[in-house]
Amino acid sequence: GAVVSQHPSWVICKSGTSVKIECRSLDFQATTMFWYRQFPKQSLMLMATSNEGSKATYEQGVEKDKFLINHASLTLSTLTVTSAHPEDSSFYICSARAPRGSGANVLTFGAGSRLTVL
Amino acid sequence: AQRVTQPEKLLSVFKGAPVELKCNYSYSGSPELFWYVQYSRQRLQLLLRHISRESIKGFTADLNKGETSFHLKKPFAQEEDSAMYYCALNRMDSSYKLIFGSGTRLLVRP
Repeated sequence: GAVVSQHPSWVICKSGTSVKIECRSLDFQATTMFWYRQFPKQSLMLMATSNEGSKATYEQGVEKDKFLINHASLTLSTLTVTSAHPEDSSFYICSARAPRGSGANVLTFGAGSRLTVL
Repeated sequence: AQRVTQPEKLLSVFKGAPVELKCNYSYSGSPELFWYVQYSRQRLQLLLRHISRESIKGFTADLNKGETSFHLKKPFAQEEDSAMYYCALNRMDSSYKLIFGSGTRLLVRP
């Protein structure tokens, strides 16, 4: 089945530095990927929609200059948390729409990336 | 505004007991509803979708447009069903964005 790989699974960084998280679709092309943020014991909050070859669309309240999204190829989207601060510490999860024929509205999720900002 | 509500944060039942995880939604259009499950230390995965009208691992869910509900049910819970369950709504437009409920942790005791 469709698999989405996320890297790194866990990252610790110092306040003020930038961190890049990669999301790859394996064995299928994903023109659209989604980035979610999950706080402890809370639900997933959609941050942005990553569109291959064009700008990402951000949800209301999400700072696009803070969370840079690049979707340069059909199998890779990256989320860069710029000038990270402790309040950015969270679990970031990416997902991609499943390949055509397997249910266009079904999402395949990555395992998530836990970011801790010291 | 689109919203998915899961009123129970935790549902604890004994093995063999019936289970119903509640989900209510608000959406002005015609939604597509899903249940996603996250087992311990695993990624989120699709359990079932209302369009398919299928039973997965003994779970079923019926979309009730009158009550705007999509409750997840299983007649006899198993210990391996213990997990976090998320109800999700997909807006039937071109955005394909999923809106998640807050999740319900199901704990099936032996």
